Amino acid sequence: GAGVSQSPSNKVTEKGKDVELRCDPISGHTALYWYRQSLGQGLEFLIYFQGNSAPDKSGLPSDRFSAERTGGSVSTLTIQRTQQEDSAVYLCASSSDRNSYEQYFGPGTRLTVT
Amino acid sequence: QKEVEQNSGPLSVPEGAIASLNCTYSDRGSQSFFWYRQYSGKSPELIMFIYSNGDKEDGRFTAQLNKASQYVSLLIRDSQPSDSATYLCAVKTLNYGGSQGNLIFGKGTKLSVKP
Repeated sequence: GAGVSQSPSNKVTEKGKDVELRCDPISGHTALYWYRQSLGQGLEFLIYFQGNSAPDKSGLPSDRFSAERTGGSVSTLTIQRTQQEDSAVYLCASSSDRNSYEQYFGPGTRLTVT
Repeated sequence: QKEVEQNSGPLSVPEGAIASLNCTYSDRGSQSFFWYRQYSGKSPELIMFIYSNGDKEDGRFTAQLNKASQYVSLLIRDSQPSDSATYLCAVKTLNYGGSQGNLIFGKGTKLSVKP
């Protein structure tokens, strides 16, 4: 079946603009994660959704970052008033449930803030 | 602060040799341990997980876990040039940031297998 998809694959934006990144998880997967990976760095957890439960937002770096997940499927990560330090690859992953060991990652969105 | 530490490398091994990748973690409450492989410009893919002390083998890959020493490693036997990638260690732990457990990733070790 189809894997995790993300769009856009690349996004260049000017400092101060808002951006929206989209993630379409594997069909039937109830858990969805957002991560950020800066050049040469590991994966930084941002936010996690599980079914209809309240999201775990503990990894969001500032209140400029928010995410929602509509209908338990597609998720959108929004970054308001982007800053240059927001430049990174934003990765989405999904798993079949909260206790699944295996997270399937999407191809990522490379965000460049100029 | 929950940490997962890896040597960034690059680790260079000749084709056919054993590559040994190491990872230490700070949270003794960590429960599950994962190795992801990430090719340049690509997203991570899970290759091994382990949650009991000892060794777990899958083909050319062996994961080793020592909870007392807070140490997990990945051995790749008969290394191939196609194994050249960055290997990310990830740890699933409880009580991180008030959540019920998330994966904490190391920064990865870059492996280069020379033909």
